[in-house]
Amino acid sequence: GQNIDQPTEMTATEGAIVQINCTYQTSGFNGLFWYQQHAGEAPTFLSYNVLDGLEEKGRFSSFLSRSKGYSYLLLKELQMKDSASYLCAVRNDYKLSFGAGTTVTVRA
Amino acid sequence: DTGVSQDPRHKITKRGQNVTFRCDPISEHNRLYWYRQTLGQGPEFLTYFQNEAQLEKSRLLSDRFSAERPKGSFSTLEIQRTEQGDSAMYLCASSPRTGGIDNEQFFGPGTRLTVL
Repeated sequence: GQNIDQPTEMTATEGAIVQINCTYQTSGFNGLFWYQQHAGEAPTFLSYNVLDGLEEKGRFSSFLSRSKGYSYLLLKELQMKDSASYLCAVRNDYKLSFGAGTTVTVRA
Repeated sequence: DTGVSQDPRHKITKRGQNVTFRCDPISEHNRLYWYRQTLGQGPEFLTYFQNEAQLEKSRLLSDRFSAERPKGSFSTLEIQRTEQGDSAMYLCASSPRTGGIDNEQFFGPGTRLTVL
């Protein structure tokens, strides 16, 4: 079975940093993805980790520890447009299993 | 626009009716996926095609659901005898063959189904 947990909601101030944690217990693992999804829109790719460690892409960074079944997404220099749902997804073979998503609200 | 497209974007139907959705993947992407997303949840995998072959179907996909990809390009998802529990966003995604398993999936805008 697949069990992917992430917090339901987080609120932060414009310009701040927010860390979204994701823990997983899955029957297989071929990588972990983070997607951003604005209300009513399609998920868009943010980052991918398959090996342990930190991947940095501009204001977004993602970390993976396979032994702990743990990942986080770090959003820096928050902007109002970052208000969205952030989805953690584990790939098993070619299939993605998603967490329920973390809704991030950025306040001025 | 060369992204994944889905049609229609919204569908309202009465319980018991049949509905069909279409997905056009990114050109030359040989892998195509269908997911279903309900409010407050992440997408749930439904089925996966490699070219025209349907390689995996989720147990979520009851006998009322059928998907095809006849020529390995666009795909259709049909729901027969719709139920109110079928109300959801149906997302299609595609990924290319090259690069192996690391390839990200590109999602379409989804079809929002409301069953009255």
